[in-house]
Amino acid sequence: DAKTTQPTSMDCAEGRAANLPCNHSTISGNEYVYWYRQIHSQGPQYIIHGLKNNETNEMASLIITEDRKSSTLILPHATLRDTAVYYCIVRVSDSGYALNFGKGTSLLVTP
Amino acid sequence: GAGVSQSPSNKVTEKGKDVELRCDPISGHTALYWYRQSLGQGLEFLIYFQGNSAPDKSGLPSDRFSAERTGGSVSTLTIQRTQQEDSAVYLCASSQGATNEKLFFGSGTQLSVL
Repeated sequence: DAKTTQPTSMDCAEGRAANLPCNHSTISGNEYVYWYRQIHSQGPQYIIHGLKNNETNEMASLIITEDRKSSTLILPHATLRDTAVYYCIVRVSDSGYALNFGKGTSLLVTP
Repeated sequence: GAGVSQSPSNKVTEKGKDVELRCDPISGHTALYWYRQSLGQGLEFLIYFQGNSAPDKSGLPSDRFSAERTGGSVSTLTIQRTQQEDSAVYLCASSQGATNEKLFFGSGTQLSVL
């Protein structure tokens, strides 16, 4: 049980922002939100994670709602190479438990 | 090394044979994970090693599956008496210590059981 709900698939035009939603209504106070992506035929790749504040790095931005029941991963200028399955995962940091990947969202970036 | 290395990249075997899959984690990473991914499915956790602690084997699907990690580095996943349903991509990942927010994955071993 991945404890998150994501749309099965999404499309985005190249150059536009891709906004990938994730619901995690049962998240606990000490659980972080992690995002990974998996490009076809490759292993998953870490993107970003956060607890309650919005986070930004060179790959993406993570917006977490104030009640922490949902979050959005933003790819500001999607490229064709961003076509991948995006996984949203909640987990306690330092818990020693493995990340539990769900089915994720299949993002297709179109020309 | 530069990244997590897995070998072989592809393995075809006959039903009933044993197979061994190898994972070389990033140097200095104390945590190592095995996942598998069946065609069109998400990742299924198999086993987790952290330093010298007892491994978390809660994801192993049957007693035909086992894994070891020698010297805190290289890991081998062994599947005995393989079945067709074992066909999948087996992925290994490593991370620095218990603060394992950032996992680095290998490219996986594609196992096909005929």
